[in-house]
Amino acid sequence: KQEVTQIPAALSVPEGENLVLNCSFTDSAIYNLQWFRQDPGKGLTSLLLIQSSQREQTSGRLNASLDKSSGRSTLYIAASQPGDSATYLCAVRARAGGADGLTFGKGTHLIIQP
Amino acid sequence: DVKVTQSSRYLVKRTGEKVFLECVQDMDHENMFWYRQDPGLGLRLIYFSYDVKMKEKGDIPEGYSVSREKKERFSLILESASTNQTSMYLCASTQPWTGGYEQYFGPGTRLTVT
Repeated sequence: KQEVTQIPAALSVPEGENLVLNCSFTDSAIYNLQWFRQDPGKGLTSLLLIQSSQREQTSGRLNASLDKSSGRSTLYIAASQPGDSATYLCAVRARAGGADGLTFGKGTHLIIQP
Repeated sequence: DVKVTQSSRYLVKRTGEKVFLECVQDMDHENMFWYRQDPGLGLRLIYFSYDVKMKEKGDIPEGYSVSREKKERFSLILESASTNQTSMYLCASTQPWTGGYEQYFGPGTRLTVT
């Protein structure tokens, strides 16, 4: 059964720093990987989606990479801002076809200090 | 932009009540999902649907049922609410193939069963 692990569980850094969040998964046979942001008490906002054939995706100050063979993904946040404070979740989809749900990590709780 | 809405942000119900959580998406997505999110356990899939009137059990379906009478609407039903169903409930939708299976989430319903 697929397991997704996110390290660290929590991170606090000063504003302006570049940072990396890590995600690993046990079964490399994935269809895609998605990074989400969740603010306290709210739903999930999709940040980046990487298909299994891709190596990375970028959106603004965010860059996500995928190394499927090693079962790893990283989310890079450049020039962090207090507004980036949130919980970041990664999730994998096992296959195309069907309507399988995602398998989620437990998230990294990020605090950016002003 | 895809929009997924949920009928209530907060809900308080008594043990034994029948509870309906409603979810509507406006992008004609084929697949819809219900997850619950609990501290320390992360997000877990309850049920999903890949077409009108079609449903599949997820990882934790016990105590829940679902209904999908129209493509845009997916309802989660707690037949007899119990205190261990106190949780955050999140609905999601995705368009397979052409949509790349990117999942979009609603704002969540915080359910408290007393």
